[in-house]
Amino acid sequence: AQSVTQPDIHITVSEGASLELRCNYSYGATPYLFWYVQSPGQGLQLLLKYFSGDTLVQGIKGFEAEFKRSQSSFNLRKPSVHWSDAAEYFCAVAPLTGGGNKLTFGTGTQLKVEL
Amino acid sequence: EAQVTQNPRYLITVTGKKLTVTCSQNMNHEYMSWYRQDPGLGLRQIYYSMNVEVTDKGDVPEGYKVSRKEKRNFPLILESPSPNQTSLYFCASRRAGSTNTGELFFGEGSRLTVL
Repeated sequence: AQSVTQPDIHITVSEGASLELRCNYSYGATPYLFWYVQSPGQGLQLLLKYFSGDTLVQGIKGFEAEFKRSQSSFNLRKPSVHWSDAAEYFCAVAPLTGGGNKLTFGTGTQLKVEL
Repeated sequence: EAQVTQNPRYLITVTGKKLTVTCSQNMNHEYMSWYRQDPGLGLRQIYYSMNVEVTDKGDVPEGYKVSRKEKRNFPLILESPSPNQTSLYFCASRRAGSTNTGELFFGEGSRLTVL
């Protein structure tokens, strides 16, 4: 069964510092990969996705993620964090075939930004 | 404005008292889904629907029912709620097609407490 691991439950960074949130997946083949953000009291919003091709994908709000097949990872990065980036971040995977209905989420990483 | 609307946003109820959480989307999306979010567990899929009159179980369907009589609506029914169904519930939708896999639009969530 597919699974997603986000090893960091909480991360604190200073405003202006760089950010990297880790995501590892376990699946037989390379799945579709996603990052979502959940601001306090809100639903989830898609930040970016990887289907194929260039392993570095750009998303909204200045985020990017890099797919590394050899490490089964899809880490989220941002060069300079803003206070408004404080939120919970979820990595998710879906199988390439027949699994469009089956989006599996990680347990989330809570990001705190210190001013 | 494109949105997924859930009601109620907050509800406190008692064990065994039937309740319905409504979900409506105005984007003409074929696919709709319900998730529950619990601390440390991330989001888990309850039910999903590929289109009108087509529904299927997700990972945690026990104790829930759904219906999809109209394309825009996908209510979640708890026939006899129990305290272990205390959770934050999200409705989500997306367009059909593999290229839209994982590109979910989420509602703002419904926080349910069962006493």
